[in-house]
Amino acid sequence: AAGVIQSPRHLIKEKRETATLKCYPIPRHDTVYWYQQGPGQDPQFLISFYEKMQSDKGSIPDRFSAQQFSDYHSELNMSSLELGDSALYFCASSSSRGGAAGELFFGEGSRLTVL
Amino acid sequence: AQSVAQPEDQVNVAEGNPLTVKCTYSVSGNPYLFWYVQYPNRGLQFLLKYITGDNLVKGSYGFEAEFNKSQTSFHLKKPSALVSDSALYFCAVRGGFKTIFGAGTRLFVKA
Repeated sequence: AAGVIQSPRHLIKEKRETATLKCYPIPRHDTVYWYQQGPGQDPQFLISFYEKMQSDKGSIPDRFSAQQFSDYHSELNMSSLELGDSALYFCASSSSRGGAAGELFFGEGSRLTVL
Repeated sequence: AQSVAQPEDQVNVAEGNPLTVKCTYSVSGNPYLFWYVQYPNRGLQFLLKYITGDNLVKGSYGFEAEFNKSQTSFHLKKPSALVSDSALYFCAVRGGFKTIFGAGTRLFVKA
């Protein structure tokens, strides 16, 4: 079965550079979530989109932005990168047909290293 | 606001013994509770969830969880642990379009 696809899997950037992460949800999933996981930490919710509209917002820095496109893929744009942005970034998707109790399906993550 | 707490950073258990990973929750309204597992450098994988109904929920890989409303707990259990169960386990609560995770509990199963 198709899973959530994230690219790139690894990314190395310098401070103050920009980075873009992409996420392709499971087909027919209408909701996409972005999480940031630092070393040894739990995933922190950044932002979510339902049917291409932002549905909820968490601890996403102002330097970051995201959107969901007409084909339901999503991109997380990060600017003015800081050392502290180094983390694993996960995308997850779910189907609203599961109602409010739909579980999340995670991608394998994009590891961002800021030097 | 929704939140979950995992009081143990680490749980050690011998292979073949039963295991329990603890989770307590705080929600307003009906709780939608989940357990996820994460292996090194991998994404989280869904194990099981509680929505309503039977308090004992069965999930993947022989895991189960017991919902206890009076104690606001949702402990993860398995009757007989395997070495391959060693991983990071996250309890989570769903509220709207946001799923909030606990701090995680690292499970070590020793052969």
